[in-house]
Amino acid sequence: NAGVMQNPRHLVRRRGQEARLRCSPMKGHSHVYWYRQLPEEGLKFMVYLQKENIIDESGMPKERFSAEFPKEGPSILRIQQVVRGDSAAYFCASSPGPSGRGTDTQYFGPGTRLTVL
Amino acid sequence: RKEVEQDPGPFNVPEGATVAFNCTYSNSASQSFFWYRQDCRKEPKLLMSVYSSGNEDGRFTAQLNRASQYISLLIRDSKLSDSATYLCVVSSNTGKLIFGQGTTLQVKP
Repeated sequence: NAGVMQNPRHLVRRRGQEARLRCSPMKGHSHVYWYRQLPEEGLKFMVYLQKENIIDESGMPKERFSAEFPKEGPSILRIQQVVRGDSAAYFCASSPGPSGRGTDTQYFGPGTRLTVL
Repeated sequence: RKEVEQDPGPFNVPEGATVAFNCTYSNSASQSFFWYRQDCRKEPKLLMSVYSSGNEDGRFTAQLNRASQYISLLIRDSKLSDSATYLCVVSSNTGKLIFGQGTTLQVKP
C-alpha cells in the first residue's frame, strides 16, 4: 500500500507566479489535511478536506491560498501570486476517516519544499 | 500563549541515557494526544498515541495528565538512531492536529 504521495518534492517560483502542490492520499483514505512548516518553526494546520468538501479552513490565509479535493484525482493546494514569505515545507496528511475523535491516525506525505525567489 | 508548548532543547545525551520530554497544552477540550518524530525536517512520523492510563512501546513510555494538561515522553536506553526532533501533538474535535515547536534530541556515542 503506497503511502501519501506529494509532488513536486521541490518547487521554485518567482514572486508573483502561481504554485500548485499536489497530494494523493493513501489508498482508501478520503480525508486530507494540509500543514505548513516555515523555516525554524513548527507545523501549522492550514485546511482539512473530504472528497469535494472543505471541512475546516481555519488555518488558511484569507487571500491567495485555496485548496480542493475533487471526486477524482489528487488534492491541490494552490498559492497565487507567491511572495517570499510563502517559502516553506508544505505537508499533506491523510486518514481513512475523521481523526478528530482519535479514531484515525493521520499519515504524512514527504512534503513539497517551496522556494520563492 | 502557544496552544502546545515544548522545551526546544537541544537535549544532548550519551548513548544509553534516559531522557524525558515534557509538553503542556492550553485547550482543555483537546481530544487526542500524540508524539511524532521528525528527522531533518522530513515528514513527521507517528511515534505513539498517548493515553491517560499511560502507554509503553519498547523503550518509549508516554503519559497524559488531563487535569494538568501535561504530556510526557520517556526514552530509556537512548540509541544514536533516536536523534531527531520530537513533536508533541494534540488534536481538536474537528480533526486538525496542533503541533508543538518540537524538542531536539542528540544522542552521542
